[in-house]
Amino acid sequence: EAQVTQNPRYLITVTGKKLTVTCSQNMNHEYMSWYRQDPGLGLRQIYYSMNVEVTDKGDVPEGYKVSRKEKRNFPLILESPSPNQTSLYFCASSLNSKDGGYTFGSGTRLTVV
Amino acid sequence: AQSVTQLDSQVPVFEEAPVELRCNYSSSVSVYLFWYVQYPNQGLQLLLKYLSGSTLVKGINGFEAEFNKSQTSFHLRKPSVHISDTAEYFCAGRSNTGNQFYFGTGTSLTVIP
Repeated sequence: EAQVTQNPRYLITVTGKKLTVTCSQNMNHEYMSWYRQDPGLGLRQIYYSMNVEVTDKGDVPEGYKVSRKEKRNFPLILESPSPNQTSLYFCASSLNSKDGGYTFGSGTRLTVV
Repeated sequence: AQSVTQLDSQVPVFEEAPVELRCNYSSSVSVYLFWYVQYPNQGLQLLLKYLSGSTLVKGINGFEAEFNKSQTSFHLRKPSVHISDTAEYFCAGRSNTGNQFYFGTGTSLTVIP
């Protein structure tokens, strides 16, 4: 089954403790992206990747890092999480940047206390 | 300025009535436009997309959208809604100048029995 898999689904952590949210897709998609969803703000793009070793900032990249060493994986790293990063995070992939027909993961609800 | 604007945050409608969810885009957004649906506790699912060609685009679940360049709009419509259409709907567009995607803030559609 074609899918984007995110882990974990739920995560509670403390301020400053580094964490990684994993994302993997099995569709050989070139374009992958991370979003955060907050009430009243919709989805905001954090980082995106056009292909292996090619990443770029979205609208809200501060406090996040990403890497794309393999085509299928696109982890999101929070080096020193803060409470304002409490949010619902989605990973998504599409064939390329123009197609835009994203397949979304199921989401990761992160709480930073 | 918001790149993609959804004019209504909440839309209640009676079952079997028609519905229109409004979306306008700014000049920073290309004409690659999309509508997504999010059911409770799930990721987003692509409803339809406009890349080029006919301005009337048909999607899944009986939804359609019309691209209107002069009014910079991409409104979503359904002639007769069902209870199962209750969800959050997001309009999205690709940046004119790069490879970012912008999402609107969402419209919560509630279908009343």
